Amino acid sequence: KNQVEQSPQSLIILEGKNCTLQCNYTVSPFSNLRWYKQDTGRGPVSLTIMTFSENTKSNGRYTATLDADTKQSSLHITASQLSDSASYICVVSDPYIPTFGRGTSLIVHP
Amino acid sequence: DAGITQSPRYKITETGRQVTLMCHQTWSHSYMFWYRQDLGHGLRLIYYSAAADITDKGEVPDGYVVSRSKTENFPLTLESATRSQTSVYFCASSPGQVNNEQFFGPGTRLTVL
Repeated sequence: KNQVEQSPQSLIILEGKNCTLQCNYTVSPFSNLRWYKQDTGRGPVSLTIMTFSENTKSNGRYTATLDADTKQSSLHITASQLSDSASYICVVSDPYIPTFGRGTSLIVHP
Repeated sequence: DAGITQSPRYKITETGRQVTLMCHQTWSHSYMFWYRQDLGHGLRLIYYSAAADITDKGEVPDGYVVSRSKTENFPLTLESATRSQTSVYFCASSPGQVNNEQFFGPGTRLTVL
């Protein structure tokens, strides 16, 4: 069964600090990996997509990495802002269906 | 306006009642999905559809029925609501392949008393 595990479950940081969220998966065969951001009370929105051949992809202050050999991905947030407070969901797809992680809840304090 | 909409946004119903949640998208995306989101479980796929008149079960389909007579609409029906179906329901759509980026609606918060 395909699985996606995220850690930590929740994280609290101070505004301006950096943080890294982790995603481990057992999805096979691998098609792509996406990170979504979900603000409270809203639907998720895609931040990045990574395919098998990509190691790093950036979207502003968000940088995602992928190690297809160890089946791990990370999402690094630089110089956090209050608006980064949200749930971050890792989604790994095989050619047929996506598998969602449970998400990491990030709270950024002023 | 273009996009994906869900209605109602909030619904309170009683055990045993039939409830239909609506989803409408204006992009003509081929794929549409229904998820439920509960604390501790994240998003779980209920049903998805590859095109009009083509639907398939996801991870947690029991107690739910879907139909897709038109590309833009994908209603979800709870035939006899139970308290365990209290949740936030998200509809999503995706162009092309099933593993493309999904665009989510704003969600429907359903409470079953």
